[in-house]
Amino acid sequence: LAKTTQPISMDSYEGQEVNITCSHNNIATNDYITWYQQFPSQGPRFIIQGYKTKVTNEVASLFIPADRKSSTLSLPRVSLSDTAVYYCLVGRQDTGRRALTFGSGTRLQVQP
Amino acid sequence: EAQVTQNPRYLITVTGKKLTVTCSQNMNHEYMSWYRQDPGLGLRQIYYSMNVEVTDKGDVPEGYKVSRKEKRNFPLILESPSPNQTSLYFCASSRGHGTEAFFGQGTRLTVV
Repeated sequence: LAKTTQPISMDSYEGQEVNITCSHNNIATNDYITWYQQFPSQGPRFIIQGYKTKVTNEVASLFIPADRKSSTLSLPRVSLSDTAVYYCLVGRQDTGRRALTFGSGTRLQVQP
Repeated sequence: EAQVTQNPRYLITVTGKKLTVTCSQNMNHEYMSWYRQDPGLGLRQIYYSMNVEVTDKGDVPEGYKVSRKEKRNFPLILESPSPNQTSLYFCASSRGHGTEAFFGQGTRLTVV
């Protein structure tokens, strides 16, 4: 499983766009990039997943450059309720018998 | 409603007293897993299962057992709990490895 590196923490203000970058230099050809959000004392929640270029849903966008060695989760116009820990995961989608590893994540604090 | 249900939500027990935390999913998912979360250490996978009767160790399996006799259930068993197993535990399920995972509400376990 490709190792990921994210900033430990980020601060923002309500209404701003937040971009969290994840580095995954050893990403394999068949690996996907997945982001989860976790609020205190709750289980992580799937946000978005992508393989290349750009993916957008109602919550966020995921930008993946051509070399796929990094990715950026973009949260438009954050609110206080976006304060959470965000995890970047890299791995294949298959039926393989492998563990799924969460890193330490990025703690996002949104201020009023 | 698609969900992963863990029970109990909170549990205080004494060292050495066997306990089981149940996990059930209603999405007919193949892949289920258990995580523990400790301050500063993020989410660490304990065990996972690709299908009925197929289980594998994750990153921190020592002191835990699991079973997968039915597709929907994946109980976590602590045969002889110790204080270092005091933690917040999450169960998760997904269609396969690397696909969108759904997490339970968490079980906060305290071993005294």
